[in-house]
Amino acid sequence: SQKIEQNSEALNIQEGKTATLTCNYTNYSPAYLQWYRQDPGRGPVFLLLIRENEKEKRKERLKVTFDTTLKQSLFHITASQPADSATYLCALEVGSARQLTFGSGTQLTVLP
Amino acid sequence: DSGVTQTPKHLITATGQRVTLRCSPRSGDLSVYWYQQSLDQGLQFLIQYYNGEERAKGNILERFSAQQFPDLHSELNLSSLELGDSALYFCASSVNPIGGGGLAGNTEAFFGQGTRLTVV
Repeated sequence: SQKIEQNSEALNIQEGKTATLTCNYTNYSPAYLQWYRQDPGRGPVFLLLIRENEKEKRKERLKVTFDTTLKQSLFHITASQPADSATYLCALEVGSARQLTFGSGTQLTVLP
Repeated sequence: DSGVTQTPKHLITATGQRVTLRCSPRSGDLSVYWYQQSLDQGLQFLIQYYNGEERAKGNILERFSAQQFPDLHSELNLSSLELGDSALYFCASSVNPIGGGGLAGNTEAFFGQGTRLTVV
C-alpha cells in the first residue's frame, strides 16, 4: 500500500543549528511533494512545493530536496530559531483519486 | 490569515446529535477539501469537491456527508455523533484541484483555522 513516513515524531535542536526533517514514501511516484507547517490548534500553512524534475528548492532559510530514486524528501531549516518550533508535515497526492495526503508530521523544538 | 473561513470555531454537542460545519474558501478557489485531525493524530483526508462536484473521497464515515454549493462554500454534516468523532475538522481550498496530476504552480492548499468538535 502507499505510505508516507516522516522520520521521527519529535526533533529537538539548538538555536542556530540546521534542522533536517525526512519524508519517505512508498509505492507511489508523485509529480510533486509539499511541505506545511502546523502550530498547535491551528491549520497547516503551506511552505514549499517541489516538483519531480526539481532536485532542490529554497525559500529564505528553508531548503527542500526531492530524490525520486530514494523516494525521499529532505526539509532543512538553517539558522533555526525558537519561532521555528512547530510540527512540519509533508504531503503528496496518493490514491486512485490522487487526493492530497499528509504524513503524520515531525514536531520540531528549537531550544534557545 | 489564509482567506479560508470556518464556522463555528468551537462546537460542543452530545452523542447521537447532528452538526453542520461550514467552510468558505478563498475568493476564486474552486476546490474544497475536508480533513479530520484527532488528538495526537495526523490529518485524515475526508472528501474533496471541485466546482460543486465531489472529486475524491477518503475514509469518510457513512454518518458523515458533505456538499459544495453554487457559491462554492461547503458544509460537512456529521450525524449520530460518537465520542470518537471529537476532533479538529479542517477545511482547505485551492485554485486548481489537487489530484489528477495537476501541475499548475498554484496547487498548494490553504487551510482554515478549523472547527474543534467535542462530543460529550
